[in-house]
Amino acid sequence: QLQLQESGPGLVKPSETLSLTCTVSGGSISGTNYYWGWIRQPPGKGLEWIGSIYYSGSTYYNPTLKSRVTISVDTSKNQFSLKVSSVTAADTAVYYCARLGLYGKVDYWGQGTLVTVSS
Amino acid sequence: DIQMTQSPSTLSASVGDRVTITCRASQSVSGWLAWYQQKPGKAPKLLIYKASSLESGVPSRFSGSGSGTEFTLTISSLQPDDFASYFCQQYNTYPLTFGGGTKVEIK
Repeated sequence: QLQLQESGPGLVKPSETLSLTCTVSGGSISGTNYYWGWIRQPPGKGLEWIGSIYYSGSTYYNPTLKSRVTISVDTSKNQFSLKVSSVTAADTAVYYCARLGLYGKVDYWGQGTLVTVSS
Repeated sequence: DIQMTQSPSTLSASVGDRVTITCRASQSVSGWLAWYQQKPGKAPKLLIYKASSLESGVPSRFSGSGSGTEFTLTISSLQPDDFASYFCQQYNTYPLTFGGGTKVEIK
């Protein structure tokens, strides 16, 4: 059974960089039929796709965040990571890592991790 | 970006009711539409993909229909476990976008 687990600080100061890692178990991140991505959900609000990465390193980003976001993959550790720079309170959200089919449906989700931006 | 609009935003229903949620896209997404269920404090769960394909393990009381710009999620007979929020998502075009959600509450 595929499992995804987010890890990283739950509190980040304004203007600093948010960093999260997703560890994938029960399957290989190097599979050819899937992308791996990040989706966030501010408290009480809807879902926002941040970006996706293929095991080869090819990426797609949401244009609204693209200037501040970097997603990378480490196939040797079966992990992928998210960095969001220059965070503000508007970046406070539950961040989910996820597996996406080649066309973009999300079939596996991590449990989510709340990241709060506050001084 | 393709905007996804769900209606209603909140729906009150009773166990056994037939429930329909609508999702409209600002431009055609063909059939590349998914539906998710989310319970408080939990990650979303995929219910329907490609507009009408039922994800493995999802009860058959859930069904999806539509194409182009208008889609519906139907729960044929609402069960206690179905009280949750539901989101649609288009994956025809990047950036991937989600609807604002529909909360199904107990009447």
